[in-house]
Amino acid sequence: NAGVTQTPKFQVLKTGQSMTLQCAQDMNHEYMSWYRQDPGMGLRLIHYSVGAGITDQGEVPNGYNVSRSTTEDFPLRLLSAAPSQTSVYFCASSAGTLRGTQYFGPGTRLLVL
Amino acid sequence: QQQVKQSPQSLIVQKGGISIINCAYENTAFDYFPWYQQFPGKGPALLIAIRPDVSEKKEGRFTISFNKSAKQFSLHIMDSQPGDSATYFCAARGTGANNLFFGTGTRLTVIP
Repeated sequence: NAGVTQTPKFQVLKTGQSMTLQCAQDMNHEYMSWYRQDPGMGLRLIHYSVGAGITDQGEVPNGYNVSRSTTEDFPLRLLSAAPSQTSVYFCASSAGTLRGTQYFGPGTRLLVL
Repeated sequence: QQQVKQSPQSLIVQKGGISIINCAYENTAFDYFPWYQQFPGKGPALLIAIRPDVSEKKEGRFTISFNKSAKQFSLHIMDSQPGDSATYFCAARGTGANNLFFGTGTRLTVIP
């Protein structure tokens, strides 16, 4: 099993550009989530999904969109990037809800100029 | 508002020493307290976890101590090794699908 995979590893965007961060898992986990990690802030939940077709907002959802068309994939979209979105983004999955052990991907480092 | 407060922000320990990282919380509805370990360039990985009905859990050199009345829990790394150098996050989980809150992290450096 590859576990949780994320692409790209690193991306530079200009303010106003859009992009999609990809996340996929091969563990047949129902629950998937996106976090951002900023210095001194820890990990903060952006959006999560409890199954295909079901998504909801986390702690810091503004500026991000998600969709969940399949169990395996959970992309994160930035429609109009802002410098405040410069961060490291982690995708995670777990069996069941957050009450299960979360498995994190390797992260995407995003720089918005 | 930080649901879980973690300290220290950074920690330097000599090889063979004991590393101690502390966390505190306020919400008594939290019912599961995991610790995650993150190496540079990698995602966090579950290290050890404890439930509030247990005061201590030990796995190898890693021990969680839990004080329910004080609403505090800590990670102890015995015989710290350079390979333990990483960032450690405590977390607390409550009810609901999105209730997992992380501390701000502690960067541990173990000097040979």
